[in-house]
Amino acid sequence: RKEVEQDPGPFNVPEGATVAFNCTYSNSASQSFFWYRQDCRKEPKLLMSVYSSGNEDGRFTAQLNRASQYISLLIRDSKLSDSATYLCVVNMYGNRDDKIIFGKGTRLHILP
Amino acid sequence: DTGVSQDPRHKITKRGQNVTFRCDPISEHNRLYWYRQTLGQGPEFLTYFQNEAQLEKSRLLSDRFSAERPKGSFSTLEIQRTEQGDSAMYLCASSPGTVPGYTFGSGTRLTVV
Repeated sequence: RKEVEQDPGPFNVPEGATVAFNCTYSNSASQSFFWYRQDCRKEPKLLMSVYSSGNEDGRFTAQLNRASQYISLLIRDSKLSDSATYLCVVNMYGNRDDKIIFGKGTRLHILP
Repeated sequence: DTGVSQDPRHKITKRGQNVTFRCDPISEHNRLYWYRQTLGQGPEFLTYFQNEAQLEKSRLLSDRFSAERPKGSFSTLEIQRTEQGDSAMYLCASSPGTVPGYTFGSGTRLTVV
């Protein structure tokens, strides 16, 4: 089983719609979780951290389910500028070792 | 510019040639990471340094690959006897060691022909 798994998509979603992605991770001892955004031919950039209690940043909501070992990202009122690849990222050791493992990414296309 | 710099941005090389990439991290960051990304895949971990010490190497890093970080500042990644399968984006990131702390460079895109 891969360490981090995501549906590669693409998700083709009309502007203004709500879209959600899930990601599963294999190591139950994983410490920290993140969503990164990557635009075409650009480097990945941190979108948001994922906290156990769930967290929101504007139109973006992230949730963590440790029992089922998955994290999710919800995007409300999607914009054309949200078109990108969303990478699920897991850190297994916390601040003791900040190496992060990436999923393959989920491609999102927002349609006008 | 106080971000992570990578050089060159693009490299085209013939199969069998050696190539070397450079990464200049954020100066206060003691950790430096190399990742490789191919089309349709997420970045895959290659190796990382804490200061000048190379702490971990992925199995993806064959004997043809070597990375160094002399003096704990910039790092180089060398690929010897390049193969077409080495064609990828090579990403460098630096971190102060806290989570999340990564800052990625813009990457070096390698094409082996």
